[in-house]
Amino acid sequence: GEDVEQSLFLSVREGDSSVINCTYTDSSSTYLYWYKQEPGAGLQLLTYIFSNMDMKQDQRLTVLLNKKDKHLSLRIADTQTGDSAIYFCAVLYRGDKIIFGKGTRLHILP
Amino acid sequence: NAGVTQTPKFRVLKTGQSMTLLCAQDMNHEYMYWYRQDPGMGLRLIHYSVGEGTTAKGEVPDGYNVSRLKKQNFLLGLESAAPSQTSVYFCASSTSPHEQFFGPGTRLTVL
Repeated sequence: GEDVEQSLFLSVREGDSSVINCTYTDSSSTYLYWYKQEPGAGLQLLTYIFSNMDMKQDQRLTVLLNKKDKHLSLRIADTQTGDSAIYFCAVLYRGDKIIFGKGTRLHILP
Repeated sequence: NAGVTQTPKFRVLKTGQSMTLLCAQDMNHEYMYWYRQDPGMGLRLIHYSVGEGTTAKGEVPDGYNVSRLKKQNFLLGLESAAPSQTSVYFCASSTSPHEQFFGPGTRLTVL
């Protein structure tokens, strides 16, 4: 089945850029997502990219997709304390299920 | 427009007890999902439904049953709770498998 891998922790200084990386195994995945989970809350869809795109930018967020290497990244520019959360990479698998990575906990240093 | 709501928010069960978790959505979504979230494991799909009256198994269906008698509700049942089912349970809904909206979660502890 599909496997989605991401590092578990990332620490970044406030004001710097954060880059969260993800790799996946199923090359047929059509949609790839980044979800954000704040403490005690459910997941919120941050952004997504369709598999025929290489990059998508939305305000401070930039998603890069390297289909050859099956690598997805999320860049958060000018990281703020409010960005502290768990970020989940996810892919649409076989058209009817979303498979999630284990999540990357982003910690913001003052 | 409440979005996706889950009842209850917290529950403590003893081993062997049964319970039902309720998920409700008011967005007229066809697809509904139940996930469990465990530390270091991410979200794992338990069961899902692609429309009223339909259900399908996800990655970790054992020990759970579901029903989708009404389009807006998706029920998750535990017939005989086990400590391994201690987790946070999330419901989600969507118009297609794409772009799921999540509820706030139910924290279940099985002693």
